[in-house]
Amino acid sequence: AQSVTQLDSQVPVFEEAPVELRCNYSSSVSVYLFWYVQYPNQGLQLLLKYLSGSTLVESINGFEAEFNKSQTSFHLRKPSVHISDTAEYFCAVSDPGSARQLTFGSGTQLTVLP
Amino acid sequence: DVKVTQSSRYLVKRTGEKVFLECVQDMDHENMFWYRQDPGLGLRLIYFSYDVKMKEKGDIPEGYSVSREKKERFSLILESASTNQTSMYLCASSPPGGGAYGYTFGSGTRLTVV
Repeated sequence: AQSVTQLDSQVPVFEEAPVELRCNYSSSVSVYLFWYVQYPNQGLQLLLKYLSGSTLVESINGFEAEFNKSQTSFHLRKPSVHISDTAEYFCAVSDPGSARQLTFGSGTQLTVLP
Repeated sequence: DVKVTQSSRYLVKRTGEKVFLECVQDMDHENMFWYRQDPGLGLRLIYFSYDVKMKEKGDIPEGYSVSREKKERFSLILESASTNQTSMYLCASSPPGGGAYGYTFGSGTRLTVV
């Protein structure tokens, strides 16, 4: 079964600074990768996903993630964060052959400070 | 706009009560999931269902049961609520092959058991 490791549980960063949220997964077989965002007291929303093709994928609000097969990583980055980016971010990986389909990481709380 | 709707945003129940959490999706998805979310523990899968009347245990099924009598509705049941079931509960759905599509989540139900 797949596993997903989000290396940082809390990431504080000042407004307009760059940020990287790290995600590593366990398997080297072909997988699909996702980042979800959860704003306070809300459900999870899909932020971006990698299925195939270009290893760099982007979201509409300036986040990007790069699939690195050799390092089994899918780190999320943003060059300049805003207060409104404060949220919890979850990395997820597809689990081929498993009915549960997706395995989630434990989440990273991003707090953007003024 | 596609939706997963959880019937209550906030619930307060007494220890020993039978509690029903309802989830309805309007996307004709085959797969539905129940998670609980606790600080520092991320998302933990309770039960999932890949068809009407079908259910599978997730990672933490103890103290819970589920019902799926119709394709669009997936209910989570706490047979006898306990204080350690105080948590945020998230419902999600996905089509077949959801590993490529990801999940659509509801807004969550924050349950407090007193």
